Amino acid sequence: DTEVTQTPKHLVMGMTNKKSLKCEQHMGHRAMYWYKQKAKKPPELMFVYSYEKLSINESVPSRFSPECPNSSLLNLHLHALQPEDSALYLCASSQDPRGQDTEAFFGQGTRLTVV
Amino acid sequence: GNSVTQMEGPVTLSEEAFLTINCTYTATGYPSLFWYVQYPGEGLQLLLKATKADDKGSNKGFEATYRKETTSFHLEKGSVQVSDSAVYFCALGHRDDKIIFGKGTRLHILP
Repeated sequence: DTEVTQTPKHLVMGMTNKKSLKCEQHMGHRAMYWYKQKAKKPPELMFVYSYEKLSINESVPSRFSPECPNSSLLNLHLHALQPEDSALYLCASSQDPRGQDTEAFFGQGTRLTVV
Repeated sequence: GNSVTQMEGPVTLSEEAFLTINCTYTATGYPSLFWYVQYPGEGLQLLLKATKADDKGSNKGFEATYRKETTSFHLEKGSVQVSDSAVYFCALGHRDDKIIFGKGTRLHILP
């Protein structure tokens, strides 16, 4: 199994809603990532979890709250988002966060629209 | 800091043409280098990688060679197909857990 699975694929939410994005991998990877990608732009790193601990937070607003319940799961909790937060949210994982030569595997993304 | 620069697109070619997408990098130490591809409406897929100088990564007819002397990792394919139309990202991996992406190059292949 070399897949990173993200749910839902599409999400429309109002600015007062609370929702969560989910990501799962069963490759035994110990690093997991959240990226945000706007149209025609490269992915922007948001968070990195290394061995289930938050190791990087790229100054992301607090309305985005990551959670890593175990080594296979990664969530992104959303609350009070703004329309400019509409984007493709990508989850990724890699084998060993200390090994720079290990590539990241990406999920298909969640297309988020904030109305 | 570490960075990746790749040629601006879009690049438009006819089917069976030769493809080169240039990528150069700036990094401390010895990063790994990657090419990722993103098809419309999808996530990123690793296309190929190289982990040390002079390594050549290859996959699906695409190739790229890690050139430390020119800090480059150019992507090439001898004969492109319509199905190769996508956005291609050059990226580098480093020990601080980050993967740094270039801005991406959109490729259009005409039949």
